[in-house]
This record gives sequence, structure tokens and C-alpha cells, in this order.
Amino acid sequence: QSALTQPRSVSGSPGQSVTISCTGTSSDVGGYDSVSWYQHHPGQAPKLMIFDVSKRPSGVPDRFSGSKSGNTASLTISGLQAEDETDYYCCSYAGTYTWVFGTGTKVAVL
Amino acid sequence: QVQLVQSGAEVKKPGSSVKVSCKASGGTFSDHTFTWVRQAPGQGLEWMGRVIPIFGKASYAQKFQGRVTITADESTSTAYMELNSLRSEDTAVYYCARVGFYCTSTSCYDSWFDPWGQGTLVTVSS
Repeated sequence: QSALTQPRSVSGSPGQSVTISCTGTSSDVGGYDSVSWYQHHPGQAPKLMIFDVSKRPSGVPDRFSGSKSGNTASLTISGLQAEDETDYYCCSYAGTYTWVFGTGTKVAVL
Repeated sequence: QVQLVQSGAEVKKPGSSVKVSCKASGGTFSDHTFTWVRQAPGQGLEWMGRVIPIFGKASYAQKFQGRVTITADESTSTAYMELNSLRSEDTAVYYCARVGFYCTSTSCYDSWFDPWGQGTLVTVSS
């Protein structure tokens, strides 16, 4: 099980939009609609931001949205805010009751 | 509101074992699967395995097969992760999380991880 591929970092100015890609294979991202995204501030527990590709848990701002095309899932943060600066991870079901995380992306707010 | 509380930090010698607990409160323990994820210093999140309490069945990432055992005790609403033959590379923060699921007309499917425990630092050092 290889980690899903994410860009090491993305950046944007306050108010702009950034998109984080998460590339896997037909055995994980492309094969299931069980892709989720987590925001992770160092020293804290990860926080669920998106589940089942594009669904948003209650309490998560609608600035966060998810999508998927083929073997690549994406997380878009619209109207970037300073508090969004941290690490983000995608995660996908990979069959046979296993999951795989992405390599992680650091979002910087310029 | 479900809350997961993990056991405290551990310092272990290489070659030894560690067992981390994750106690759930505020929900129905047996209705869900529980999973374990770790993050080594400077590294990303890494999925380790999961357990279904009502069946006691576990599945593991290939990397940890044979070295990790994940169990659950329904009577105390607690999940456990035991890692054997510890080496310095196992130094990490270990997290438990409850697995969310969706259902179709015929089946239910485990999907996302929420909520998470606060994390347990395991340090492996001679």
C-alpha cells in the first residue's frame, strides 16, 4: 500500500482559493467514494473536514469543498483565511478493510 | 457527543512492546469500528489497522502485519493497540479514531475517521 500523492505545499493570499490534489490508483481513490480529508495542526488531533469525497461535517465552513475525478481527489479551500494555515491529509479506503493516507500538504497563507 | 480518551505517554526500550488504550464515552461503542493511526516526527499520518468490537475482528496495514494487535473490550468501551518488537522508528504519536460509516439499502460501509483521541506519544529509546 503506497501513500497517496499530495503536493508538499500550496499557498495563497487571504481571500484566494487553493486546491490540494490527492492522487492514488484504481485500487483506492479511483475505486471507492470513501475519500476523506483531515486538517492537522501540530500537537492536536486531526480534524475531519470532508468525508465521502464531497460531504462536509456539521461545523466545517462551506469554504471547504471536495471532489474526485478518476484516481485523483481534490480539496478546495475558498476565501482562504489565516487560520487555515496548517497541514492537510487525504485518506482513502483501499479495499479489504484497509485505508491509506496521503503524503500531506502544508497550506501557507501569504 | 462521543469522546475518545487515550492512555498517557510511554517510554520503551528497543525490542519491547507497548499497549495503548482508547476509552470511548458518550456513544454506543459496539455500533462502530475503531482505527489506529500514527505520526512519526516530521512524517505524515500512517494508517495502522482497525477493529470491529462486536466481532472482535481486526485488519492491519501490510507494514505492521505480525507486529501489531488491535483489540476492543466492549465491557469497558475501550480499544487497544499493542505494538511489539519496538524500534526507534516506532517513536511517534499514536491516535485512535472512531470510524464513520454510510449505509445503502443492502449494506453499510466504513468510511471516515471521526472523532479522534488526543494522541499518545510513544518514545522508543535505549
